[in-house]
Amino acid sequence: DIQMTQSPSSLSASVGDRVTITCQASQDISNYLNWYQQKPGKAPKLLIYDASNLETGVPSRFSGSGSGTDFTFTISSLQPEDIATYYCQQYDNLQGTFGQGTKVEIK
Amino acid sequence: EVQLVESGGGLVQPGRSLRLSCAASGFTFDDYAMHWVRQAPGKGLEWVSGISWNSGSIGYADSVKGRFTISRDNAKNSLYLQMNSLRAEDTALYYCAKDMGQWLVGTFDYWGQGTLVTVSS
Repeated sequence: DIQMTQSPSSLSASVGDRVTITCQASQDISNYLNWYQQKPGKAPKLLIYDASNLETGVPSRFSGSGSGTDFTFTISSLQPEDIATYYCQQYDNLQGTFGQGTKVEIK
Repeated sequence: EVQLVESGGGLVQPGRSLRLSCAASGFTFDDYAMHWVRQAPGKGLEWVSGISWNSGSIGYADSVKGRFTISRDNAKNSLYLQMNSLRAEDTALYYCAKDMGQWLVGTFDYWGQGTLVTVSS
């Protein structure tokens, strides 16, 4: 099974800061990597699919990059409404795996 | 508007069974694969199971394989999860999620609000 290692587990940043989260797969997953945002008490929301494609309606300050085993998720300018937990996720060979999550807070 | 509404959760004793349902609307149900994803209280997301548009391809997490069965009824626009031999560690909020593709692409573009399953004596 493919394991996903996401870091950091939490971070605190100021409004306007650039925020970066990384996700590492235990084996090559090409670009089959998605990013989700989950706000407290809410269902997750798809932000980025296939490593770098922005889901319709998602603000352009969110972006993703990477391929193979190493992936990066970036918020170019952190906004108060971005307070949430972010998860990476892969799907391969009839099995899906999420990263452990990164809780983003405002400093 | 895509809507996914889960039901069937509740309090159940260890070893017993429960069947979850997900009613879908706002899209052509039989054009897409569907999944169940769960979240234990205060914990992260865990993919549970997925089923292709025609039920021809099905996958399970190792943690539920042999105990849970996913199915769908395209005529009723509904997804199901039969959960047997329930354990305390199955306690979680269970989400129904729509796949972007017909087959198990594994990208979840719409989610329900979840139904809570609590396994306790």
